[in-house]
Formats: sequence, structure tokens, C-alpha cells
Amino acid sequence: DGGITQSPKYLFRKEGQNVTLSCEQNLNHDAMYWYRQDPGQGLRLIYYSQIVNDFQKGDIAEGYSVSREKKESFPLTVTSAQKNPTAFYLCASSTDRAYSEAFFGQGTRLTVV
Amino acid sequence: ELKVEQNPLFLSMQEGKNYTIYCNYSTTSDRLYWYRQDPGKSLESLFVLLSNGAVKQEGRLMASLDTKARLSTLHITAAVHDLSATYFCAVGDSGGGADGLTFGKGTHLIIQP
Repeated sequence: DGGITQSPKYLFRKEGQNVTLSCEQNLNHDAMYWYRQDPGQGLRLIYYSQIVNDFQKGDIAEGYSVSREKKESFPLTVTSAQKNPTAFYLCASSTDRAYSEAFFGQGTRLTVV
Repeated sequence: ELKVEQNPLFLSMQEGKNYTIYCNYSTTSDRLYWYRQDPGKSLESLFVLLSNGAVKQEGRLMASLDTKARLSTLHITAAVHDLSATYFCAVGDSGGGADGLTFGKGTHLIIQP
């Protein structure tokens, strides 16, 4: 089955700790994205990558880092510099064709304890 | 900066009724997407609208796009309980590039028997 797999589904982070969220896709998509969703809010773009070994900051990149060493994988690290990391994180991917739609993973719910 | 506004943000309606959700955006765009989200779940793609005057229908849902007015509508006909969810519109920058979407805050729709 083709799709986007995010793990873990739930993640708990202590204050001052870095954590990494995994996103893997087997859709052969070139572009991948990370979004953050807060309760009652829309999604906000954190980072995106249009091609391997390249990525761009989105609207709320501060306190986050990413890598894109493989086409299939786009992990997101939430660093200790992110002051309010508790949120629902969604990874998405799309082809590089113009106007292609994005497909989303099942999400990771991160909670600071 | 592209801004996307949805209204209403919350809608409670009875089964069998019709209603429309509105999505306004602030700058020129030639692509608009509608997604559905169930509680605690990921986003499911509903419609992709890529041209002025585009209209798409799936079951009891119909979406349209007016690029001149910078407005999209999602119309619900004879609502049923299974359509209860949060609906998001998302807009991309002109040119169709794979550089992420700007989302509205979502419309939380509850359909009561």
C-alpha cells in the first residue's frame, strides 16, 4: 500500500529535550512538508523540501530542524528552542508537478511533560 | 502574505438541511483545495480546484472557485450525520509550485439528527 507513515503516533517530551518525528513515504513524491496544528486552528507550515538535500523554511520554522537525505524520508526535530511544542504534527507529500495535491500522514501528537 | 479566512468557524445544523461554507483568500492564487478532518485524525483530500469557475461535486458536497472574487464555497446538500467533521480550505501561491499551502482555521461542522 502506498502512503505516508508517521511515527510515533504519540510522543512525550521533557522540558529542554530534543525529539525527532519520523515521516516516510513510498509514493515516489519529490516534495515533502511538515505542518503544525494547534487546537481549533488551521495548519501552519514549518518546513518543506522540494528535492533531496534541499529544504526551505515555512512560516514557523524557529525551534525546528529538518533533513532530507533520502527521497522517502523527511524527519523533523523539535529542539529545546521551541518554546511551545505541544501540538499535532502532520507530514505531507506531493509530486513536483504543478498544482498537485498534498497527501497527509496520520500525524504525531507531541506533548511536553 | 497570503491569508485565508473561512466562515463560519463553527456550524451546527440538522440533518436534511442545506448550508454553505465560505473560504476567502487575500492574494492571487490559481489553486484551492478542500480537506476533511475527523477528530484526532489526519486530513482527507476532498476537492482540488484549479481554474476560475471550477465546480466539483462528490455526493452531498459541491465545491466551487471564483478566482476573481478570491472566494471558494463548499455547499452541503441534505446533510447527514456522517458529514460531521472539520473542513479546511487551503490555498497555494500562484504558479502551482510545491512550496506548501496556507490553510484556513477550519469549519467545525456538527450535523444533528
